Amino acid sequence: AQSVSQHNHHVILSEAASLELGCNYSYGGTVNLFWYVQYPGQHLQLLLKYFSGDPLVKGIKGFEAEFIKSKFSFNLRKPSVQWSDTAEYFCAVNPYGNNRLAFGKGNQVVVIP
Amino acid sequence: EAGVTQFPSHSVIEKGQTVTLRCDPISGHDNLYWYRRVMGKEIKFLLHFVKESKQDESGMPNNRFLAERTGGTYSTLKVQPAELEDSGVYFCASSLLGQGEDYGYTFGSGTRLTVV
Repeated sequence: AQSVSQHNHHVILSEAASLELGCNYSYGGTVNLFWYVQYPGQHLQLLLKYFSGDPLVKGIKGFEAEFIKSKFSFNLRKPSVQWSDTAEYFCAVNPYGNNRLAFGKGNQVVVIP
Repeated sequence: EAGVTQFPSHSVIEKGQTVTLRCDPISGHDNLYWYRRVMGKEIKFLLHFVKESKQDESGMPNNRFLAERTGGTYSTLKVQPAELEDSGVYFCASSLLGQGEDYGYTFGSGTRLTVV
């Protein structure tokens, strides 16, 4: 079945540590890729997106993601996290020509000051 | 600009009762989507409106769910009668016509529905 996989659903790390969240998808063909973030009590916000071009995408708040087509992956990274990065992070895939987003289960990230 | 507004933010109802969730999209956004997240699971697509028309309702779980979009503005999602497995967070999102997933649409804060 087509799916989006996010592992390590709960991540706890200290400030200044590096963060990497994995995202793998099983859709074939062209896809658009997204990372969304939901801070406590807030709505889902777009962190970054990839449609085409440079596979290394830079988003808001120092986040970046790399699209590796051969691995069907779109991993999210941040070199040095802050307490304010405590949030839930969702990877999402939009198969080209489809009007819906397919989400992973999310990663709950807690940054300890 | 005002964001996507959903209300209520929380709703607790008994099994068998009816609940209506509302979503007010950003003004001028013709695309409107409903998604749902059941606890421990991924966020799943329910349906997509373009203006007042249902473009895709293939994600609606069963006929206890009814979505409407009056005049292409706000949308309601009614669950009647509610069952325990309907508990979860219901998200609404909107975007301009021609945008949508390709550009990343705007989500509301969600309605947390608890059926007891």
